[in-house]
Amino acid sequence: DSGVTQTPKHLITATGQRVTLRCSPRSGDLSVYWYQQSLDQGLQFLIQYYNGEERAKGNILERFSAQQFPDLHSELNLSSLELGDSALYFCASSVVGSGGYNEQFFGPGTRLTVL
Amino acid sequence: GNSVTQMEGPVTLSEEAFLTINCTYTATGYPSLFWYVQYPGEGLQLLLKATKADDKGSNKGFEATYRKETTSFHLEKGSVQVSDSAVYFCALSVTSSGSARQLTFGSGTQLTVLP
Repeated sequence: DSGVTQTPKHLITATGQRVTLRCSPRSGDLSVYWYQQSLDQGLQFLIQYYNGEERAKGNILERFSAQQFPDLHSELNLSSLELGDSALYFCASSVVGSGGYNEQFFGPGTRLTVL
Repeated sequence: GNSVTQMEGPVTLSEEAFLTINCTYTATGYPSLFWYVQYPGEGLQLLLKATKADDKGSNKGFEATYRKETTSFHLEKGSVQVSDSAVYFCALSVTSSGSARQLTFGSGTQLTVLP
């Protein structure tokens, strides 16, 4: 158990809908990262937050957004869903977001299926 | 940009066989290198890491050496077990603007070890 929790575990929805994925980082970790794992794109970095502020953006679509709350949990919002958004979404956390490398601890993921 | 190229899978070995999974990278800047493992139905776990040239990361019998001259970080294990069956990801991290340290992953290699 990495200490990172993600809910829900599975999500099935229809095209055009909006969903919210939730992540609680390990106790004490200030940085949260979101990654998408799909068959065609592999594992891709989406976005990083550090202590409530956006720190870096990767291949995140404009239809997707995220935020980190004062209690450090994070939510990833996916809207106007398309079939191609079906994927496993991982959250990871680390102690800090800068300086020397800090190990990222991954949650179990949320599997999103868009029908 | 940054990229990681991994040996294509799947790889099937008999128990106690020698394992090598090739990984090469391109990076702007001086990357840290990692191997992550994903067991079925689980999130990613850090297997080993190396942060500078000629460093050898090791864990659970797995080893990988950071070779700057060949931009490689090949994963090896002398004698695999059935319990090593998983997907293995090579990854790198480079400090970017704002000191973000997101991971760039390879495509993953599925390893199956037969008894």
